[in-house]
Amino acid sequence: AQSVTQLDSHVSVSEGTPVLLRCNYSSSYSPSLFWYVQHPNKGLQLLLKYTSAATLVKGINGFEAEFKKSETSFHLTKPSAHMSDAAEYFCVVSDFSGNTPIVFGKGTRLSVIA
Amino acid sequence: DGGITQSPKYLFRKEGQNVTLSCEQNLNHDAMYWYRQDPGQGLRLIYYSQIVNDFQKGDIAEGYSVSREKKESFPLTVTSAQKNPTAFYLCASSIGLTAGGYEQYFGPGTRLTVT
Repeated sequence: AQSVTQLDSHVSVSEGTPVLLRCNYSSSYSPSLFWYVQHPNKGLQLLLKYTSAATLVKGINGFEAEFKKSETSFHLTKPSAHMSDAAEYFCVVSDFSGNTPIVFGKGTRLSVIA
Repeated sequence: DGGITQSPKYLFRKEGQNVTLSCEQNLNHDAMYWYRQDPGQGLRLIYYSQIVNDFQKGDIAEGYSVSREKKESFPLTVTSAQKNPTAFYLCASSIGLTAGGYEQYFGPGTRLTVT
């Protein structure tokens, strides 16, 4: 069965400094991996996705993530945080195994300090 | 505009009553999903449907029911058997299987409060 662990429930950074949100996954197959962002009381929006093509994936708003099979990681990064990046971020794994087609991590809340 | 509509935004019910949450999409997507979101728990899959007239249970289906009679509609009923129904409910759709790399599109959510 697939699973995903977001290693930090809360990350706080200063505006203009790098962002790192960590995600480890478990999958017996070649998974698809996604990062979604949720602003307060809103639906989710896709940031980026990995689907077995390039291991370094670029997304919207300057975010990117690197798929590392040997480390079973898919960490999300951004070189310089903006105030508007403050939100909840979810790492998601999906493969063709098991009974559930998709599993979300518990989320990482990103705070950006002026 | 193409998208997913969930109504109402806020819903209040008394304990013991069934309540149905609406989800409509005009994206022509085959797959639709219902999630429940609780603080610190992420999103948990309740039900999903890959095609009209077919649906499967997710991780937390107990106390919930769904129907998929039309491609664009996937209503969720929260029954009185659901022990803790107060939560934020999100509906999503995708053009194909997420395991195949297809992203989900989400509605704005319905916040259900049961007292």
